[in-house]
Amino acid sequence: NAGVTQTPKFRVLKTGQSMTLLCAQDMNHEYMYWYRQDPGMGLRLIHYSVGEGTTAKGEVPDGYNVSRLKKQNFLLGLESAAPSQTSVYFCASSEIQETNEKLFFGSGTQLSVL
Amino acid sequence: AQKITQTQPGMFVQEKEAVTLDCTYDTSDPSYGLFWYKQPSSGEMIFLIYQGSYDQQNATEGRYSLNFQKARKSANLVISASQLGDSAMYFCAMREVLYSSASKIIFGSGTRLSIRP
Repeated sequence: NAGVTQTPKFRVLKTGQSMTLLCAQDMNHEYMYWYRQDPGMGLRLIHYSVGEGTTAKGEVPDGYNVSRLKKQNFLLGLESAAPSQTSVYFCASSEIQETNEKLFFGSGTQLSVL
Repeated sequence: AQKITQTQPGMFVQEKEAVTLDCTYDTSDPSYGLFWYKQPSSGEMIFLIYQGSYDQQNATEGRYSLNFQKARKSANLVISASQLGDSAMYFCAMREVLYSSASKIIFGSGTRLSIRP
């Protein structure tokens, strides 16, 4: 049972390069989220999606774009990477529930921008 | 805007002692949910416990319990009989219901718990 899968697991970029992080879930979840984790900052919400074809901004959306063309996939794009985007990125998904809507997390992507 | 505050960047506790990790939150939404996650050094995020804003009783899951004080807007995690394997980062999180059943979840900055043998 794969759950939430993130690719790649590690990536090094030069300033100005672009890349796309892929998140795939096989649990038929409606909601999907992208977070970044920096030391001392906890997890901050970048963008999220409440269903196929929908996206919304989170706490720190600047410099990122997302797409949810298929229910099982949520893509995070960096058009022009900056050193400030060096971080660990987590994707998560959840069902629609009135209560106990816990998140299922991927294993994370370590991104370094030089 | 909603906010989660964890005021303890790090804690040291002797093995087998109980430990309380603090979490306060701020929201104007009457319907919300509170979560605790554990992140060991391996980096994975592990769900521990959940408390709904309308739940009358404090949530418990094995050695974990959530001390929910709604009027104070606090949701502290209590770990009884701590073990060496409890050493990890702990994050408090809150779900805010936006509309219908749509929601988003935000996290606090975390507390690093270290258990001494």
